[in-house]
Amino acid sequence: SQQGEEDPQALSIQEGENATMNCSYKTSINNLQWYRQNSGRGLVHLILIRSNEREKHSGRLRVTLDTSKKSSSLLITASRAADTASYFCATDRREEKLVFGKGTKLTVNP
Amino acid sequence: NAGVTQTPKFQVLKTGQSMTLQCAQDMNHNSMYWYRQDPGMGLRLIYYSASEGTTDKGEVPDGYNVSRLKKQNFLLGLESAAPSQTSVYFCASGGRESGEQFFGPGTRLTVL
Repeated sequence: SQQGEEDPQALSIQEGENATMNCSYKTSINNLQWYRQNSGRGLVHLILIRSNEREKHSGRLRVTLDTSKKSSSLLITASRAADTASYFCATDRREEKLVFGKGTKLTVNP
Repeated sequence: NAGVTQTPKFQVLKTGQSMTLQCAQDMNHNSMYWYRQDPGMGLRLIYYSASEGTTDKGEVPDGYNVSRLKKQNFLLGLESAAPSQTSVYFCASGGRESGEQFFGPGTRLTVL
C-alpha cells in the first residue's frame, strides 16, 4: 500500500522558475526522504528529513516537514532543464523499509 | 566504486520460464532491497534483507524468491514467469544509520 502520495502528478514550468511538490502520508514516520529518477534510470537520493526536523536545505533544494499535517514539500529553486525528472517521496516507519509514493513528473522547459 | 550493479539490463521471457536477477553492492551495506516499478504505481517492495542470510517479504512477494548468501549479493528469482511480472526491477542497498538507499540502474523484464 502506498504511504506517500505526491501532488501534483505532473508539473511543467519554465527554466528559472521555482518548482514545488507536495507529499502526504498516513501514519507516523521516523524520517521522510525525497528521491529523483531520470527517465530510464535508477532513483537517486536527494535529501532526508527526520521527524523532529521542520526544514532542511541542500543546494537549490528546500524540504519542509509538518508532522501534524502528515505532509512534506520539496522546493526546487531556479530550476534548470536538467531538473526534468520524476520526484518521489519515501517514508521510513522505523522498519528499515521505505514506502514510496507514485511520484511527481517535473518538466522544466528551456 | 561501482555502487549497486544489476544484471541483466534487459530480459525477455516466455510465460512459465524461470530466471534470476542479480544484484551486487560494494558499499558494505547490511540492508538490500528488491523493488518493482510499474507505470503509475511508484515503487513497490518485493523482498528485503536486513543482513546476510536473512530475508523478509515486502508488499508484493508472490511469485518471487530471494537469496542473500553473501553480504554483497542479493538475488531475485522468478519461479514461473507470468505476464503480470512484466516490470522494471530495481535493487537497492542501504546502511541502517543513514536511512538512505542507493539504487541500481534497473532490469527491464518483459514476460510474453
